[in-house]
Amino acid sequence: EVQLVESGGGLVQPGESLRLSCAASGFIFSNSWMHWVRQAPGKGLVWVSRINNDGSSTAYADSVKGRFTISRDNAKNTLYLQINSLRAEDTSVYYCVRGGGFSYTFFDFWGQGTLVTVPS
Amino acid sequence: SSVLTQPPSVSVAPGQTARISCGGNNVGSRSVHWYQQKPRQAPVLVVYDDSDRPSGIPERFSGSNSGNTATLTISRVEAGDEADYYCQLWDSSSDYVFGTGTKVTVL
Repeated sequence: EVQLVESGGGLVQPGESLRLSCAASGFIFSNSWMHWVRQAPGKGLVWVSRINNDGSSTAYADSVKGRFTISRDNAKNTLYLQINSLRAEDTSVYYCVRGGGFSYTFFDFWGQGTLVTVPS
Repeated sequence: SSVLTQPPSVSVAPGQTARISCGGNNVGSRSVHWYQQKPRQAPVLVVYDDSDRPSGIPERFSGSNSGNTATLTISRVEAGDEADYYCQLWDSSSDYVFGTGTKVTVL
């Protein structure tokens, strides 16, 4: 059974940093592209970042470029998201998501999410 | 960049058919995927590549895509189908784009 378990969220002050983690199990992690998707309270889904299977290629939404860094440790089956200079608008549930399909154009398994709250 | 527009809400009686549209410029030329999100839960993939269903998703969920509109159809709607639904595609200029979301209410 595929499992994605996020951790690291919490209440942080504007300007601070945070590292989110996602522990993966039930599939060959090193073969999978992985993503972070976020959802602000009461709002829709927004793609944040993706990393290819060996970590050699990453991509980011324009809204987070320069502040967010995605990485992975295939030996530990773990995905990370480093978030710097946190802003109130970063307040969201952050989902760890596996890329699906041969071209990785969709998201086939989602974690339960971890909430990051940044007061204004 | 791609913008995907969905109706904010759709209401349907049990046993009837719900259709959720996802509009965007030349959407029919890309693969569209659909997710169901129930309150306080993570999204679940219900349709991928326009019309394919993941294992475990009922046949009542189907999809189509042509021209400027993709559509998710839920046949024989049940109370348990009440949720938010999002379309999504990958675009070379916008990367991964989600639709605005549709709340399905079962009357």
